[in-house]
Amino acid sequence: DVKVTQSSRYLVKRTGEKVFLECVQDMDHENMFWYRQDPGLGLRLIYFSYDVKMKEKGDIPEGYSVSREKKERFSLILESASTNQTSMYLCASSLSAGGSYEQYFGPGTRLTVT
Amino acid sequence: EDQVTQSPEALRLQEGESSSLNCSYTVSGLRGLFWYRQDPGKGPEFLFTLYSAGEEKEKERLKATLTKKESFLHITAPKPEDSATYLCASLLVTGNQFYFGTGTSLTVIP
Repeated sequence: DVKVTQSSRYLVKRTGEKVFLECVQDMDHENMFWYRQDPGLGLRLIYFSYDVKMKEKGDIPEGYSVSREKKERFSLILESASTNQTSMYLCASSLSAGGSYEQYFGPGTRLTVT
Repeated sequence: EDQVTQSPEALRLQEGESSSLNCSYTVSGLRGLFWYRQDPGKGPEFLFTLYSAGEEKEKERLKATLTKKESFLHITAPKPEDSATYLCASLLVTGNQFYFGTGTSLTVIP
């Protein structure tokens, strides 16, 4: 069974703190993604990675960075958390080729910045 | 601009009352159209992939279809456990980025 796990389900941080969200997949997928999901706005892509040490900006990268040192692990970093980064964060992975491109999502991390 | 639009935003059905959810897309060069189910507080769960116009996929009470401009998710004789938000997403042949609609929130009343 495919599996994407995220380091925390719920997280509460203070404004200005550095925040690390980790995602691990066990499917040997090349692509990994970080989204945030807010009511009425749907899923918005923050960053994605198509290979180890490779990354590309999504639609809303400001205030975030990412790290992919190993194929199975993709980290999202909030350099200095702000209240407008309170959101549900979703990690996903997918294949690049082979005829099966669907994304598989983790359970999400509900981040609250106070 | 490449875009995916879902309608309606919300849908309330009586148990057993069949209906359809719409996903229209204006992307050029579609590699695939994907449907997901999302329960409150959880990550989206993959349902179907459609790759070409005319293709259909079925799973229990759900059937997804694809034309050149839109996709439909047909729900036949829904049950309360089908209540969820249904998301569609497109993937282009030119890249790895998915474009998501904002979803249809389905409530099935017993």
